[in-house]
Order: sequence, then C-alpha cells, then structure tokens
Amino acid sequence: EAQVTQNPRYLITVTGKKLTVTCSQNMNHEYMSWYRQDPGLGLRQIYYSMNVEVTDKGDVPEGYKVSRKEKRNFPLILESPSPNQTSLYFCASSTRRREIAGGITSTDTQYFGPGTRLTVL
Amino acid sequence: GQNIDQPTEMTATEGAIVQINCTYQTSGFNGLFWYQQHAGEAPTFLSYNVLDGLEEKGRFSSFLSRSKGYSYLLLKELQMKDSASYLCAVIGNTPLVFGKGTRLSVIA
Repeated sequence: EAQVTQNPRYLITVTGKKLTVTCSQNMNHEYMSWYRQDPGLGLRQIYYSMNVEVTDKGDVPEGYKVSRKEKRNFPLILESPSPNQTSLYFCASSTRRREIAGGITSTDTQYFGPGTRLTVL
Repeated sequence: GQNIDQPTEMTATEGAIVQINCTYQTSGFNGLFWYQQHAGEAPTFLSYNVLDGLEEKGRFSSFLSRSKGYSYLLLKELQMKDSASYLCAVIGNTPLVFGKGTRLSVIA
C-alpha cells in the first residue's frame, strides 16, 4: 500500500530535550516536505527536499533541522524543543514537477502522513 | 509574496450545494489544489487545476480562473460527513502554499 508513515504519532516532551520525528514514504517520490499546523494559522511549511541531499527552508524553519540521506526518509529534528513548537506536524511527499502541454508545469498530488501531535512542556 | 484567501467558516444544509471560494496572489502559478481535512487528521486530496475551467469529480467540482487568481470548490448533495475543513493550496515559483482553510459545517 502506497503510504507516508510518521513516528511517533503522539509525543509529550520537555523543553530542551532533543527529539526526532521520522517520516518515510514507499512511493519513490523525489519531493518531501514538513508542515506544522496551528489553530488559526493553517498549514505552514517548515522544510522541503527536492531530492536526496537537497533540502531548503520553508516559511518557518527556525528551531528545526532536516536531513535527506535516502530517498524514502526525511526526518525532522528539534535540537532544543521549546513550548512554541507544540503543534501538529505533517510530513508529505510527491513526485517532482514536470512539463505538460503548452509549457505548463504540472505536479502530482502531495500525500500526507497521519500527523504527529507534539507537546513541549 | 504569497497570499491565499478563503472564508474562515461556512454552514450549509444536508442535501444542499455549497461553493467555497479561494483567491490567490502568488509569484508564478503552477497549479491549485483543494484538500479536505477532518479534525485531527491528515489532509486528503480532492482536486487539482492547472488550466482554466471546471474539473468535475463526482459530487465535487473545482473551477479555476488564472487571469482572476480565483478558484472555487463546489460540493453537491451535501452529506454530514462533508463537515470538515477545506484547504486551498497553490504552487507558484515556490513549493506548495496553503490557505488557512474553510471550516464547513453541514447541518440537518
């Protein structure tokens, strides 16, 4: 079954204790990204990766790190979590953009993982 | 800059039709997505428009006008299970940018 998995699904931790949220996809997708979702703010992108060893900052990268050593995995690292990082986190993957008729680029659907609810005390 | 606007909340009656609008201003345009998200769950794909016009998929349709920076999602024959948030998202010259979502409540 094609899917994006995240672990853990729920985590309560304390300020300053390093943590990693794993993300893995089995669809051979090049593009992966991390989002956080907060009430009233919607989904905001943290980091994204266009392919192995290529990562870029999204809209809210402060306090987060990522790595993309393998195509299927894209872990999110919080070196020193703080309470303002309490949120619902989603990992997503999709194929790359490609050109279709008329010079217009197209892109495949982003598939989202089930989410990780993180609470930092 | 990137800006995507959609209404915060809407309410509609079971069996009715509802239209959720989305306006966007982005650097470049490479497609617009609509996602459905139930509370506490992951967004799930509904539709993708890259060319102007209407895309129909069962009870759901999505319309795009690139010249106006405008899209809408049309839901017909509303069911209680359609109560959810609906997210508009645009790919421009940067990766996917989401609106804040429209929370739809379907009432009997």
